[in-house]
Amino acid sequence: DAMVIQNPRYQVTQFGKPVTLSCSQTLNHNVMYWYQQKSSQAPKLLFHYYDKDFNNEADTPDNFQSRRPNTSFCFLDIRSPGLGDAAMYLCATSSSTETQYFGPGTRLLVL
Amino acid sequence: GESVGLHLPTLSVQEGDNSIINCAYSNSASDYFIWYKQESGKGPQFIIDIRSNMDKRQGQRVTVLLNKTVKHLSLQIAATQPGDSAVYFCAETRGAGSYQLTFGKGTKLSVIP
Repeated sequence: DAMVIQNPRYQVTQFGKPVTLSCSQTLNHNVMYWYQQKSSQAPKLLFHYYDKDFNNEADTPDNFQSRRPNTSFCFLDIRSPGLGDAAMYLCATSSSTETQYFGPGTRLLVL
Repeated sequence: GESVGLHLPTLSVQEGDNSIINCAYSNSASDYFIWYKQESGKGPQFIIDIRSNMDKRQGQRVTVLLNKTVKHLSLQIAATQPGDSAVYFCAETRGAGSYQLTFGKGTKLSVIP
């Protein structure tokens, strides 16, 4: 039944060690989003893919990258995680309409 | 800058009572609004949406009201249950025809048994 799947649910990494978070979807939606959410805050959009077109938010640090090899999968790469990057990372999808459907999130801990 | 905000960061209600969660928005070009529920440790879950050409929309135990004159959005939950305890976010499109959302700050709803 899961429509937006995120793996792993919890990720521990070391300061400066690259880490990749994964998202997959069974909805065949053409838009996929990555959000960062810190404690007691609203989700903050990092970037999104509209089909194969990558759209970066102006204030997303260069440390964050993304890949979308096909319609179903999207990856978030953090090249050199800092302590401030510890957060919940949420993947969402939508068709060209506005309703976004979220995955369960991956909680990242940086040691 | 334009943003979506909430009037109350926390709300406590007795089980069985009705809950009202409010949201103010400032982007007059927004034409689509969504309410999400986020339980602890989980991703946001779609509850209900409304387009700007509507004033009210009802779902199961939930109603969303949109007042474009004062740029106000509310979520009403009838007969609130312990399972309704969560953080509720309103979100709006960034502009007419946009598919990107701007989220409000969130209201934490606590249901007292």
